[in-house]
Amino acid sequence: QSVLTQPPSASGTPGQRVTISCSGSSSNIGSYFIYWYQQLPGTAPKLLIYSNDQRPSGVPDRFSGSKSGTSASLAISGLRSEDEADYYCAAWDHSLSGWVFGGGTKLTVL
Amino acid sequence: EVQLVESGGDLVQPGGSLRLSCAASGFIISTYEMNWVRQAPGKGLDWVSYISSSGSTIYYADSVTGRFTISRDNAKNSLYLQMHSLRVEDTAVYYCARQGYCTNGVCYGMDVWGHGTTVTVSS
Repeated sequence: QSVLTQPPSASGTPGQRVTISCSGSSSNIGSYFIYWYQQLPGTAPKLLIYSNDQRPSGVPDRFSGSKSGTSASLAISGLRSEDEADYYCAAWDHSLSGWVFGGGTKLTVL
Repeated sequence: EVQLVESGGDLVQPGGSLRLSCAASGFIISTYEMNWVRQAPGKGLDWVSYISSSGSTIYYADSVTGRFTISRDNAKNSLYLQMHSLRVEDTAVYYCARQGYCTNGVCYGMDVWGHGTTVTVSS
């Protein structure tokens, strides 16, 4: 069981907006930045969002992140077929002295 | 090009040992904190270990404490993970990941990942 809680699946049709939630506690999300990773099938994870809501260069502005208290969310607007992937949230946890991840959300583009 | 390349994954029997390596290129590893993260077949990401840029601070996940040792050789621009007393549940793809800087109020997190190396623990 993961320290951060994500829904196991999400779906949407092309052009739609979908959101993926991530819930934690005061020792992780409540105290530190949240990060989001995209993992396409058969590939390594890729940083999608850092410091709650910042996009690395090259990440489309269709992807956005937010955080409030001990929860966070990733929004994908203008859904495209190439967005079909697994998405993970992550944060540092001071009680565990380590990184914690969500269980991952498999996004399906219908 | 900034890149991390892992190696050393193999098939090993339960109780065995293995040493993973991660070679960095395109950047100087000595200025970065580094991590190992693993992913069991069909499962999610699981953080394994962290090492500070100087090597003076090290953390491990409870599941590997006492069995795994993280180290770095800044002169070789490389990161390592020595694994002992391997268990079936250690079977996974092991990724090394660079931890980006914190500057001007933002932190970049694990911003560069290798392609991974596969460790299979089975009799």
